[in-house]
Amino acid sequence: DAGVIQSPRHEVTEMGQEVTLRCKPISGHDYLFWYRQTMMRGLELLIYFNNNVPIDDSGMPEDRFSAKMPNASFSTLKIQPSEPRDSAVYFCASRPAVASYEQYFGPGTRLTVT
Amino acid sequence: RKEVEQDPGPFNVPEGATVAFNCTYSNSASQSFFWYRQDCRKEPKLLMSVYSSGNEDGRFTAQLNRASQYISLLIRDSKLSDSATYLCVVNGETSYDKVIFGPGTSLSVIP
Repeated sequence: DAGVIQSPRHEVTEMGQEVTLRCKPISGHDYLFWYRQTMMRGLELLIYFNNNVPIDDSGMPEDRFSAKMPNASFSTLKIQPSEPRDSAVYFCASRPAVASYEQYFGPGTRLTVT
Repeated sequence: RKEVEQDPGPFNVPEGATVAFNCTYSNSASQSFFWYRQDCRKEPKLLMSVYSSGNEDGRFTAQLNRASQYISLLIRDSKLSDSATYLCVVNGETSYDKVIFGPGTSLSVIP
């Protein structure tokens, strides 16, 4: 298996621009998670999906952030408009439905907003 | 109190040393515990799950103390390749579907 795939790996954009991050989970995994990691705040859960349905988005910082999962093999995290404080590494992770809870992370997208 | 707390370190140890990390968690109802490892500029990866009776995987030993709500990770005979950040992970308070990552403890093994 190719593992969790994320794109782009790096994104540099100007404040006010729209940013879309993409994720392809491991085939057969029922859960998909979006995290943000910064030096100051560590690894924070933004939102997670179960069978393509958003279950908990309490970690989404503001209305500028939105996430979708139109099918089992694709999810997006969108930031509109972006701000410099959104600069971070964004990870997508997936896991199967079984109660092992091990999450498999993608390589992350390093976002810089100038 | 934060949900999961760890000593941030850094821990700088010579090769061959034994090093221990501790982690405390706030939710007494937590059922699942893990240690993840994150190399510099890489994604976190599962190192090992932590079971009630304690468990060992080669040079790594994990222990759980439910009464005191802490988890430990012991690394024996440290290797240069063990240099990384070690993240303590506990399932969340409001849902067992999601987990909470601790801030991580940085380890540098020195030749």
